[in-house]
Amino acid sequence: GAVVSQHPSRVICKSGTSVKIECRSLDFQATTMFWYRQFPKKSLMLMATSNEGSKATYEQGVEKDKFLINHASLTLSTLTVTSAHPEDSSFYICSAAGVEDEKLFFGSGTQLSVL
Amino acid sequence: LAKTTQPISMDSYEGQEVNITCSHNNIATNDYITWYQQFPSQGPRFIIQGYKTKVTNEVASLFIPADRKSSTLSLPRVSLSDTAVYYCLVASGAGGYNKLIFGAGTRLAVHP
Repeated sequence: GAVVSQHPSRVICKSGTSVKIECRSLDFQATTMFWYRQFPKKSLMLMATSNEGSKATYEQGVEKDKFLINHASLTLSTLTVTSAHPEDSSFYICSAAGVEDEKLFFGSGTQLSVL
Repeated sequence: LAKTTQPISMDSYEGQEVNITCSHNNIATNDYITWYQQFPSQGPRFIIQGYKTKVTNEVASLFIPADRKSSTLSLPRVSLSDTAVYYCLVASGAGGYNKLIFGAGTRLAVHP
């Protein structure tokens, strides 16, 4: 099946630094990628939808200047958490959709811990 | 966007069949029903997808009645490794994905 690679799997950073998370579709072209955030024992919350070559669409309550999304190619989307603070600590998950079917494929997630 | 409702949690024992039902009363004509499995600290994993009637693959079956207002994921002979959270989702948006909104999911615990 299709594979979505997400890196890094875990990152620890100091407050005030920026962290970039990469999401790659390895064997298919992803026209649309989604970024989710998940707190412990909670469901996934959609943060934003990114389409290749256009600006991301953010869900209500998600700061676009805080969570920068770039979808520069059909196989790569990045999420940058700018000036991270402890409250940004969370599990971030990306997913990608191809053009041929209705399935979404998910990355393995990134656990961000901001000290 | 179709909203889904699932039981918050379920318990089962090894070797039993588990059926998890999901309600999606407002499902649209073009929506597909997809189930995902998630282990702690991992991304969701695709289990099965269907549009109507019954779909079966090597890990599960999906039963969808004619009105499509609900669906049932059936896991045959569960093992301890099936302990996970299971999410039922409906795809919104014709001609492909618009976006997927996750509900609360069902936390399945399989006991020895």
